[in-house]
Amino acid sequence: KAGVTQTPRYLIKTRGQQVTLSCSPISGHRSVSWYQQTPGQGLQFLFEYFSETQRNKGNFPGRFSGRQFSNSRSEMNVSTLELGDSALYLCASSPGTVQETQYFGPGTRLLVL
Amino acid sequence: QKEVEQDPGPLSVPEGAIVSLNCTYSNSAFQYFMWYRQYSRKGPELLMYTYSSGNKEDGRFTAQVDKSSKYISLFIRDSQPSDSATYLCAMSGARNQGGKLIFGQGTELSVKP
Repeated sequence: KAGVTQTPRYLIKTRGQQVTLSCSPISGHRSVSWYQQTPGQGLQFLFEYFSETQRNKGNFPGRFSGRQFSNSRSEMNVSTLELGDSALYLCASSPGTVQETQYFGPGTRLLVL
Repeated sequence: QKEVEQDPGPLSVPEGAIVSLNCTYSNSAFQYFMWYRQYSRKGPELLMYTYSSGNKEDGRFTAQVDKSSKYISLFIRDSQPSDSATYLCAMSGARNQGGKLIFGQGTELSVKP
């Protein structure tokens, strides 16, 4: 089975712009979670989608949003980018019934200038 | 205080050594405990997961959970240079809490030939 794929792998944006990141989960997986990883804060949970519905949300401002499509692919969007949004954004896929088995993609590295 | 505490290291050991990695946590609701390995510029890779207290072994890796002490460990036997990576502990609560994993800061391990 192919693993979790994320596009793009690298992105450079300027403050105030918006960005959309994409994640394709493992075939058959219905749950997609998004995390932000920074050297200072480590890995932090953004949100999780299951069957096109947001099932859980972390403590991030409303500038961070996401959605899931009927084929389980997911996108996350960050509007009005700030310098502090520079991070590795990781997507994790899970069957959805056994939540602990989350499999991560390679991540999208976002740099905000 | 963070919900999950993990010594960031770095930890340097000679090849063949037994490595002990640890995390402590404060939330008694955590029931699922995981260890991930993350190589530089890659996404985290699931190594081990354990439900509630007890031990689990997989090859050279052993995971231990002591819920009474709120303490989890990962032991690596016969460590190899290829084990050099950052090791992240992660945990979650109720089964249907929707994909939210809480991560430790990660311990950077270097195994010297």
